[in-house]
Amino acid sequence: AQTVTQSQPEMSVQEAETVTLSCTYDTSESDYYLFWYKQPPSRQMILVIRQEAYKQQNATENRFSVNFQKAAKSFSLKISDSQLGDAAMYFCAYRYNFNKFYFGSGTKLNVKP
Amino acid sequence: GAVVSQHPSWVICKSGTSVKIECRSLDFQATTMFWYRQFPKQSLMLMATSNEGSKATYEQGVEKDKFLINHASLTLSTLTVTSAHPEDSSFYICSARDGLAGVGDTQYFGPGTRLTVL
Repeated sequence: AQTVTQSQPEMSVQEAETVTLSCTYDTSESDYYLFWYKQPPSRQMILVIRQEAYKQQNATENRFSVNFQKAAKSFSLKISDSQLGDAAMYFCAYRYNFNKFYFGSGTKLNVKP
Repeated sequence: GAVVSQHPSWVICKSGTSVKIECRSLDFQATTMFWYRQFPKQSLMLMATSNEGSKATYEQGVEKDKFLINHASLTLSTLTVTSAHPEDSSFYICSARDGLAGVGDTQYFGPGTRLTVL
């Protein structure tokens, strides 16, 4: 069964600093997709970044990058130059083929000015 | 990017009444839509998957007779909470998959609907 685990319920970072959010998952599939979603207080889910499992190169989107370790089934999110607007809940998600998402329990990120 | 809307954004109803929530894809055809439920400070829990023109597939433990899902067109899916009770109070989120996108497509989420049952 597919499971997604986020072991950090809450994290804090100083503005302009770097923070890494952890995510591990369990699957028997070899081709799948991984995502990080941000959910601000408005509760609108916003796609931050995604990674195709068949790609060895780590995905990057501006200040956001991932460290994808397929063998270890690890998918961490690094946020560089943290901004106040980055404060939100962050959910790691796994999807196989066209199927549903499996979400982690979320990490609440606080950004201190 | 693709836009998904939900209506209403917040609804308050009396116990025993039924409430309908709409989910629309505004600029793409959504062959598949998903309905999630989110309790405060918790993750999203998938309730059901609906494909246009066919019956929805419900997750284990979700009462199909209580949460009626209709995906009658490529741009609209509805979730009806029948005979709502206070324990049904929650945040309901829909997402939609672009039917014309490739296998690597993502899902686009609606802004959610807050349901409060008195």
